[in-house]
Amino acid sequence: EAGVAQSPRYKIIEKRQSVAFWCNPISGHATLYWYQQILGQGPKLLIQFQNNGVVDDSQLPKDRFSAERLKGVDSTLKIQPAKLEDSAVYLCASSLVVKETQYFGPGTRLLVL
Amino acid sequence: QKEVEQNSGPLSVPEGAIASLNCTYSDRGSQSFFWYRQYSGKSPELIMFIYSNGDKEDGRFTAQLNKASQYVSLLIRDSQPSDSATYLCAVISGGSNYKLTFGKGTLLTVNP
Repeated sequence: EAGVAQSPRYKIIEKRQSVAFWCNPISGHATLYWYQQILGQGPKLLIQFQNNGVVDDSQLPKDRFSAERLKGVDSTLKIQPAKLEDSAVYLCASSLVVKETQYFGPGTRLLVL
Repeated sequence: QKEVEQNSGPLSVPEGAIASLNCTYSDRGSQSFFWYRQYSGKSPELIMFIYSNGDKEDGRFTAQLNKASQYVSLLIRDSQPSDSATYLCAVISGGSNYKLTFGKGTLLTVNP
């Protein structure tokens, strides 16, 4: 069974630029999550989708971050404009249904200069 | 704010010893509890989950849950150098969206 796929794996941008990350969940998984993990911290949930609807985006900085999950499969997370404090690893995870075990992708390491 | 607390470590144990990792959580309505292992530069991978009070064993790993004390632990028996990693405790809190909240993680080093 293929795992969660993410791209790109690494991205370096300058502050005020925009960036987008892509995630393809495990086939059949209805729930998709985006997390931000800052060095030395645990992952922090940014947004949770159930199929293509948003379940929780309470910790998403909506003035600069946006996410969508079209057709209930792939998802993209965008940052515009980026700030220095956005430097982190962005992890995508999926689960069969909500409450079930979440499986993580390899993550995208973002460095904002 | 629902919180999950872990000792950040580092926790250092000799090879073959038992490593004990601890976690407390603030939300009494929490339902499910997970331990993830994260190697440096890698993404978290699930080690174990536990839903009910008591112990759950899987190979060298034992998860222990005490809901009354709001405490969950992970024991690693016969620790190996390959167990050296950060261990993340994660809790699904009560509520309709079943949000998973992570602790900061405990860095474990197993010395040969």
